[in-house]
Amino acid sequence: KAGVTQTPRYLIKTRGQQVTLSCSPISGHRSVSWYQQTPGQGLQFLFEYFSETQRNKGNFPGRFSGRQFSNSRSEMNVSTLELGDSALYLCASSLGPQGNFPEAFFGQGTRLTVV
Amino acid sequence: SQQGEEDPQALSIQEGENATMNCSYKTSINNLQWYRQNSGRGLVHLILIRSNEREKHSGRLRVTLDTSKKSSSLLITASRAADTASYFCATDANGNNRLAFGKGNQVVVIP
Repeated sequence: KAGVTQTPRYLIKTRGQQVTLSCSPISGHRSVSWYQQTPGQGLQFLFEYFSETQRNKGNFPGRFSGRQFSNSRSEMNVSTLELGDSALYLCASSLGPQGNFPEAFFGQGTRLTVV
Repeated sequence: SQQGEEDPQALSIQEGENATMNCSYKTSINNLQWYRQNSGRGLVHLILIRSNEREKHSGRLRVTLDTSKKSSSLLITASRAADTASYFCATDANGNNRLAFGKGNQVVVIP
């Protein structure tokens, strides 16, 4: 069974640009969550999607958005990039909503560098 | 704010020794999990312990949970060089449908 796939693995963007990251969950998993990891703040929850609906959102500005497609694949978008957005972005999939299916399976992450 | 918070000290041990790390949290939980991360890559789920459990084993891993003290510990027995990684605890933060991670505990196992 293929794991969680995140693309691209690495990105370098310039301040002010926007970026879209992609996540394909494990086959049969319907919930996708996104996390941002930085040395200073650690792992922080961004949002969770289930059945194409955002169920939960972390404390991030509106520049961070996401969506989920009918095949459970998810994308997240960051607009007007800032230097502080440089981070490892991790996607996690689970069978269903986090509350009912707490075990999360993570992808390898997308390393975003904003210059 | 982070729900889980590991004991912040980094561990450096010899292969074959045991490694213990701790995690504390602030609010009530339904479950607590431990994850491993190698060199800034994805997290790998290690073990989940529910709030009504006190101890759980999985291979060389032993997890304890003390809900009265709001703390958990992860013990890795007979460590191997491949156990070198960062270890994170994560809670469901009182059923908020999200994982709240601690800041991680780096373990270095010297061959």
